[in-house]
Amino acid sequence: RKEVEQDPGPFNVPEGATVAFNCTYSNSASQSFFWYRQDCRKEPKLLMSVYSSGNEDGRFTAQLNRASQYISLLIRDSKLSDSATYLCVVNPNNQGGKLIFGQGTELSVKP
Amino acid sequence: DGGITQSPKYLFRKEGQNVTLSCEQNLNHDAMYWYRQDPGQGLRLIYYSQIVNDFQKGDIAEGYSVSREKKESFPLTVTSAQKNPTAFYLCASSMGATDTQYFGPGTRLTVL
Repeated sequence: RKEVEQDPGPFNVPEGATVAFNCTYSNSASQSFFWYRQDCRKEPKLLMSVYSSGNEDGRFTAQLNRASQYISLLIRDSKLSDSATYLCVVNPNNQGGKLIFGQGTELSVKP
Repeated sequence: DGGITQSPKYLFRKEGQNVTLSCEQNLNHDAMYWYRQDPGQGLRLIYYSQIVNDFQKGDIAEGYSVSREKKESFPLTVTSAQKNPTAFYLCASSMGATDTQYFGPGTRLTVL
């Protein structure tokens, strides 16, 4: 089993759609969780951290379920500019800052 | 401007050559990291350093070497021992080991 596993994608959605990405992680002791966004041939950029209570930033909502070792990202009212690959990232915090990356889920928002 | 810079953006290497990738940050971050990304795969950790003059191997350190002589610099050398060096190399830094990591723009290395 991979340490961090994401929906395989790609997701092709029309503008204005709501899309949800799922991610599971295997290390139950993991403490920090993130969603990064990576545009084609660019570096990953932090989209949002994920907290146990869940958090929202505009059209983006992240949820964490520790019992199920599951993280989600919901994007409402999709824009063309949301097209990118979304990376689920886990920091076990007991491995010197080592981040574990999922393979990414590609999103394509069409007009 | 504060940030992380990597150079060069593109690098071509002949087989059997060593090459060094530059990573510099002016964010006053203690920790720095090197990752490798292959098409369709997640990032994999090569080396990381939590403090000057100290670094640890990541998951795929074979064929690579690093140094951390200055807080702001963490160069990566890809040696001829690295079997499949063609990849996208990303440097990152964070304030501390448990803090958010920020990435540089990356270097695309191609072995000819």
